[in-house]
Parts: sequence; structure tokens; C-alpha cells
Amino acid sequence: AQKITQTQPGMFVQEKEAVTLDCTYDTSDQSYGLFWYKQPSSGEMIFLIYQGSYDEQNATEGRYSLNFQKARKSANLVISASQLGDSAMYFCAMKKNDYKLSFGAGTTVTVRA
Amino acid sequence: DSGVTQTPKHLITATGQRVTLRCSPRSGDLSVYWYQQSLDQGLQFLIQYYNGEERAKGNILERFSAQQFPDLHSELNLSSLELGDSALYFCASSTRTGESYEQYFGPGTRLTVT
Repeated sequence: AQKITQTQPGMFVQEKEAVTLDCTYDTSDQSYGLFWYKQPSSGEMIFLIYQGSYDEQNATEGRYSLNFQKARKSANLVISASQLGDSAMYFCAMKKNDYKLSFGAGTTVTVRA
Repeated sequence: DSGVTQTPKHLITATGQRVTLRCSPRSGDLSVYWYQQSLDQGLQFLIQYYNGEERAKGNILERFSAQQFPDLHSELNLSSLELGDSALYFCASSTRTGESYEQYFGPGTRLTVT
């Protein structure tokens, strides 16, 4: 069974600073996708960034970047220049060709002014 | 706005009752997924449909069922409700299946069973 581990239940970050959210995964498959989602207090799930297992370059989307280390099976999310609106729960997820997303437990990020 | 719509936003009902949650995927998306988010179990995949056919099943209880209609909207039916079924239920859609296709989530339906 695939397993996603997010070891940081909660983090505080100062506005305008960068924050790294840890994610490790466990799979014996060679082909898979890694995703990060943001869930604000309002509850919706917002897709942030995707990394394919065969992608050689780390994915970036605006202030979000994914630090992908395949040998270590880690896919850490880096949020640069944090804003107050970044305060939310962040979920790491993996998808193989069995279609479903498997999620980690999430990390709550609180941005301080 | 993800383009995925879910109704109702909130639902309060009693134990033993039956409810139907509705989802309309993004325009053009053929795949619909249902997830349950609860405090004790986190986010869990329930079931997936692709162009009207069931494609994958996750931790879905026998009391729960779903279907996808020809217009691609989907419904999740929950029956004989128990207190433990209280959760946020998400529908998500994607253009195609496969590991590289992101899923776009609706706003969710918050179900409270009293």
C-alpha cells in the first residue's frame, strides 16, 4: 500500500520568509505522480503543484516549488515569500495508475505578520 | 474556483437517514472521484467513475453507493447514516485518468449526522 508521511503537524513562518513542508512517500512503483494541495479554513482543496516521477527537473509554480529527491522518496514543498493568505493546511498526495490520490495527514502553516 | 460544483454545501440529518450528494465536474472532464475527509481518518478515496463507468473503489462502505450519469454529473448516496459518517465529502474531476493528471476539487459537502 502506498503511504505518504508528513511529519510536521504545524509550522509557523514569518511573513515574506520561505517555508519548507516535508513529505516522504513509499512505493515500489516506478511511475507515479506527486501533488500538493492547499486547504484554507474555508475547506476547499486547491491544487498547487505536480511532479512526475520521471521528471528530471523540480516543478515550480509561481512561489511554489517542489524539491523532488527520488532516491530519498521525498517531495518537499517550498513556499517562498510567505503571505498571510498562505495560512492553511497543506497536503502532499501521490497517484499511481490506480487513479486515486493517497494523501498525507497534512501540515498546518500559520504565517505571522 | 475549480469549476467543480457540489450541492448541497451543508447537510444536517439524523442517524438512520439517507442522503444524496451531487457533483458536477469541470466542463470536459470525464473522471469523477469522491473523497471523504474526517478528523480521525483524514482524506480517503471512496470511488471513481470514468465516463459513466465505475473505475476504482477505495474505502467505501457498503451503505454508500455512487453513480455517474450520461451528462457526467455524479451522485454519492449515503444510507443508514451513522454518527461516524459525519465528514466533509469532496468530489474531484480530471480530464483523464493516469498518474500525471491533477484532480480539481469541488468545495465539498459538509455532512453532519446527529
